[in-house]
Amino acid sequence: DIVMTQSPDSLAVSLGERATINCKSSQSLLYGSNNQSYLAWYQQKPGQPPKLLIYWASARESGVPDRLSGSGSGTDFTLTISSLQAEDVAVYYCHQYFDALPTFGRGTKLEIK
Amino acid sequence: QITLKESGPTLVKPTQTLTLTCTFSGFSLNTKGVGVGWIRQPPGQALEWLGTIYWDDDKRYRPSLKSRLTITKDTSKNQVVLIMTNMDPVDTATYFCAYRRRLDIVWRPFDYWGQGTLVTVSS
Repeated sequence: DIVMTQSPDSLAVSLGERATINCKSSQSLLYGSNNQSYLAWYQQKPGQPPKLLIYWASARESGVPDRLSGSGSGTDFTLTISSLQAEDVAVYYCHQYFDALPTFGRGTKLEIK
Repeated sequence: QITLKESGPTLVKPTQTLTLTCTFSGFSLNTKGVGVGWIRQPPGQALEWLGTIYWDDDKRYRPSLKSRLTITKDTSKNQVVLIMTNMDPVDTATYFCAYRRRLDIVWRPFDYWGQGTLVTVSS
C-alpha cells in the first residue's frame, strides 16, 4: 500500500492568515504519460461527505475559491489556504489515486485560533 | 447533475452480511471510462477505500477485505450494490459511494459522493 502521511494532525490559524498542510507519499505519484501527480485534496465538514478541492496535485476543482491551492510533485505535496475564512474550518485529507489501491491520509483538522 | 445516494440497514449483528445499495443519477455505468467506488469512514477516523466497479464490469477490491466484499452493478436501475460478509463491530462506519471518470487516458479522483450511511455493527 502507498502510505500517505499528513502533517500536522491539527492546525489553528487566525482569520485572514495562511494555513499550510503537508502530505508525503511513500512512493512517487508521478504518472509518466502526462507528467501529473495523482494526488488529490478533499475537505470534509461534520456530517458531510468529502468535497474534492484539488486534483493532479495542483488543479483546482470548479467552484473552489482561489485562496485554496495545491502544490508539489512526486512524493511531497502541500495544500495552502492563503487567507483563512471561517468557512474553511474542516478536516482536510490528501488522497493518492495513482495505485490500484487508493489510499487517504489520516486528515488534518483546521480550526480558527 | 450527478447525484448518488446510499441505502441499507443502519444496524447489523456480528457475523451477518451487509448489503448496501448506491442509487445514482446524472450518468450511466454503461458509459466508457466511468466507475463507482465504496469508501468507508469509522466514527472520528480517516477514509478507507473498499472497492470500485467500472463500466466494463472490472472490479477492484481492497486486498485485506477482498474475501468479504462483492460489488455488483445493475445498469438498468442505475444502482451499485456492496455486499460485505461476516460483519464485525470494527466495521462500524459511515459508508459512502462515489463517482469517478476518465478523461482521455487519465483518471480523475472520486469527485461526486453520496451523503453516506452510518452502519453500526452490534448485537
